[in-house]
Amino acid sequence: AQSVTQLDSQVPVFEEAPVELRCNYSSSVSVYLFWYVQYPNQGLQLLLKYLSGSTLVKGINGFEAEFNKSQTSFHLRKPSVHISDTAEYFCAVSHTGGFKTIFGAGTRLFVKA
Amino acid sequence: GAVVSQHPSWVICKSGTSVKIECRSLDFQATTMFWYRQFPKQSLMLMATSNEGSKATYEQGVEKDKFLINHASLTLSTLTVTSAHPEDSSFYICSARDMRGQGGYEQYFGPGTRLTVT
Repeated sequence: AQSVTQLDSQVPVFEEAPVELRCNYSSSVSVYLFWYVQYPNQGLQLLLKYLSGSTLVKGINGFEAEFNKSQTSFHLRKPSVHISDTAEYFCAVSHTGGFKTIFGAGTRLFVKA
Repeated sequence: GAVVSQHPSWVICKSGTSVKIECRSLDFQATTMFWYRQFPKQSLMLMATSNEGSKATYEQGVEKDKFLINHASLTLSTLTVTSAHPEDSSFYICSARDMRGQGGYEQYFGPGTRLTVT
């Protein structure tokens, strides 16, 4: 079975500062990895995904993430955040041959002026 | 891109009544749809997985007689909360996946339905 741990429940950061949201996963088999963003009272929007190939994945809104198999991590980064990046971010994992996607508990990114 | 809609976006109902939530894939055929429940400031909890034309598969602890799921076509799945109680109040989100296409491993999420039971 897979599991996902998001190490920070909240991350406050000043506007234009860099940010890293941490995600670790546990799985005995190969996985696909995802980051989603959720704005208040809305569904989830895919930021980026890792399926195979290059371990550095670039997504929308200037976000990127790096898959590190040895550390079983998939941390999300952005070099300079905006106020509009304030939202809940979810890391998710899916077994490559399976169906279900397991979500982490979420990290609330709060960007301050 | 792939779009999933939900209706209604919010609903208030009295305790004991039933509520139906619709989830539609607007520009693709969804062979599989998922229903999630999200409590305030918490993550998404998978309730059930439904495949078109077959019975839904419920996660452990989810009452199938209370949360009726129907996936009658490739573009529509419905979740009916029967005999709703205040503890059923939550944010319900559906997602859809087209396993037949190149994007088979990506889920497309609906905007969610806020259910409040009084």
